[in-house]
Amino acid sequence: DQQVKQNSPSLSVQEGRISILNCDYTNSMFDYFLWYKKYPAEGPTFLISISSIKDKNEDGRFTVFLNKSAKHLSLHIVPSQPGDSAVYFCAARGRGGADGLTFGKGTHLIIQP
Amino acid sequence: NAGVTQTPKFRVLKTGQSMTLLCAQDMNHEYMYWYRQDPGMGLRLIHYSVGEGTTAKGEVPDGYNVSRLKKQNFLLGLESAAPSQTSVYFCASSWEGGTAYEQYFGPGTRLTVT
Repeated sequence: DQQVKQNSPSLSVQEGRISILNCDYTNSMFDYFLWYKKYPAEGPTFLISISSIKDKNEDGRFTVFLNKSAKHLSLHIVPSQPGDSAVYFCAARGRGGADGLTFGKGTHLIIQP
Repeated sequence: NAGVTQTPKFRVLKTGQSMTLLCAQDMNHEYMYWYRQDPGMGLRLIHYSVGEGTTAKGEVPDGYNVSRLKKQNFLLGLESAAPSQTSVYFCASSWEGGTAYEQYFGPGTRLTVT
């Protein structure tokens, strides 16, 4: 049973517009949510995180929103740039802190010129 | 500062052969992890370590063993490789100083078992 779901395998957005990537989760015990970006043949790189007690976190062009009642989070990228084309993984951390992350299957974001 | 490195980058094994994947980090991180990624799937946790000399099972530990004899190294062993273990393996490390214990990943090892 998938605890972290990314239901859109791919998303195409025009350069300069907003990209919105979505993620749903089922386990209410997760206390942090993280987004990772992955280019082909490379390891994932950390992008931004949000605590379960917050509803928004912003870092430059990247903003993550958390709706706990809906068990839903989203990553907004504004404005989208060609270098943003990559696979984005949503991940969740349990309250154990040092325990591993639970990942979604990823969304392939394609930025069109 | 190399971050997290993995050796080898690619490997082809025959069914039944054994091998060890090496992960090294130079960030003095306490925690280390091994994940596998299969096509169309997210990363799944195999084993992890919360400190030198400790190991723990993750979501998909069967067929793998690990050792953490030194803080900077985390080894993943396959004693008798099976085609189902064909995958890309990622090592990661983290520390409690990060806001969310965010993990830093190596470049991956692509393993094919024939």
